[in-house]
Amino acid sequence: EPEVTQTPSHQVTQMGQEVILRCVPISNHLYFYWYRQILGQKVEFLVSFYNNEISEKSEIFDDQFSVERPDGSNFTLKIRSTKLEDSAMYFCASSEQVNQPQHFGDGTRLSIL
Amino acid sequence: KQEVTQIPAALSVPEGENLVLNCSFTDSAIYNLQWFRQDPGKGLTSLLLIQSSQREQTSGRLNASLDKSSGRSTLYIAASQPGDSATYLCAVSPILTGGGNKLTFGTGTQLKVEL
Repeated sequence: EPEVTQTPSHQVTQMGQEVILRCVPISNHLYFYWYRQILGQKVEFLVSFYNNEISEKSEIFDDQFSVERPDGSNFTLKIRSTKLEDSAMYFCASSEQVNQPQHFGDGTRLSIL
Repeated sequence: KQEVTQIPAALSVPEGENLVLNCSFTDSAIYNLQWFRQDPGKGLTSLLLIQSSQREQTSGRLNASLDKSSGRSTLYIAASQPGDSATYLCAVSPILTGGGNKLTFGTGTQLKVEL
């Protein structure tokens, strides 16, 4: 069964450094999402992406964050200058159509030191 | 602002028992509701999706119901097995206003099925 894949599984970065989290959504899916989960807290929506542009973003998704679909298969989340509070599990998700289930990757655990 | 609550926060049952997990949401103007399971250190696995016009969905031993007007959903698991042990998350999406379907998640119910 097709699945969403995320790399790396764990990323350790110094505060202030840039980090890029990578995702390969399911190939025929058209809608892409990033969510995050701080340890012990709820999964939170960050951003949705459709037709090569951001369709919605949350208050968390400030100017330090950006997303890109550089080619036909990858979907990336960049954090420009990481802060300690960016430490979390970041999940990528995709869906075939807007009314279809979202399928999640296994996540990237981001640790900011 | 949509708030999603799941009760109980944790549940431990003997193998073979039927059980019900509850999810409530404050804004009934939803587009759909999705149930997930999350295993430790893993991503979210989609279990069932209910469109706002539907009342229930079934998949194997799982049955999810939706009562939009009262802001409630239940996930029924029949004949529970140790392999069902996981955290179960409920998530709702608002009426679509753009090219996406953002999910608002509950805190989850941590289920343990004991031998």
